[in-house]
Amino acid sequence: DTAVSQTPKYLVTQMGNDKSIKCEQNLGHDTMYWYKQDSKKFLKIMFSYNNKELIINETVPNRFSPKSPDKAHLNLHINSLELGDSAVYFCASSQVSTGETQYFGPGTRLLVL
Amino acid sequence: GQSLEQPSEVTAVEGAIVQINCTYQTSGFYGLSWYQQHDGGAPTFLSYNALDGLEETGRFSSFLSRSDSYGYLLLQELQMKDSASYFCAVSTNTDKLIFGTGTRLQVFP
Repeated sequence: DTAVSQTPKYLVTQMGNDKSIKCEQNLGHDTMYWYKQDSKKFLKIMFSYNNKELIINETVPNRFSPKSPDKAHLNLHINSLELGDSAVYFCASSQVSTGETQYFGPGTRLLVL
Repeated sequence: GQSLEQPSEVTAVEGAIVQINCTYQTSGFYGLSWYQQHDGGAPTFLSYNALDGLEETGRFSSFLSRSDSYGYLLLQELQMKDSASYFCAVSTNTDKLIFGTGTRLQVFP
C-alpha cells in the first residue's frame, strides 16, 4: 500500500501551459503539504493544508493554486508555466500540524521547455 | 530569520562511523528532525528530537542540544546503501518544517 502517492511522476510541458499535480494520502493524516525541490536540492515548503483549510501559504506566485477537496487529497494547479518552475514537487502529510514527522510522496518531476 | 547550516558533503568508508552536524537559528523552536533522500527518491523521515540528548534507532542516532542550537546525526557501521543526502529540519510554532540545504554522504568500499 502506498502511503502518499502523486500523479504524474514525470511532467514535460511547454512554457505558458497549465498543468495539475495530484496527491493522495491513505495514512489518515490531517495535514498535507506541497514542497518544491530545486536543482540544488533545496527543499522549500509552498503550501500546507490542515483538514482542508489552508494554513501555510509561502511567498509563491499566484500562478500556483492548491486545492484540497478532502483531507486525504491535495492537488496543485499551475497556470502559465515558466522555465523557472522546473523542479521536483513533493507532496507530504503529517498527523499533526507542527509537522515534525512528515511522509513524502515519490515526487513529480516537472520540466518546462 | 531562520537558518540552518550543515556540511555540504561528507565521505566515509564502509563500516565507519560518520557524524553530520546541524546548527540552526530560529525562533519558536519545537524540535529537530532528520530526513534521508536517495538520488531520485523522496525524503524519508529518520528521527525527531524535541528534548536534549541522544535518540538511538538502530545504526542511526540523533542528538540535540537546545541551548547550543545544535544537533547531529550519527551513522554507525556505514553501508553502501547509506550513500544519500541527509537533511536536518526544524519545526517551529509557525507550523512549518524548515529544511537545511542537505549533506551529501558518499560511502566508499
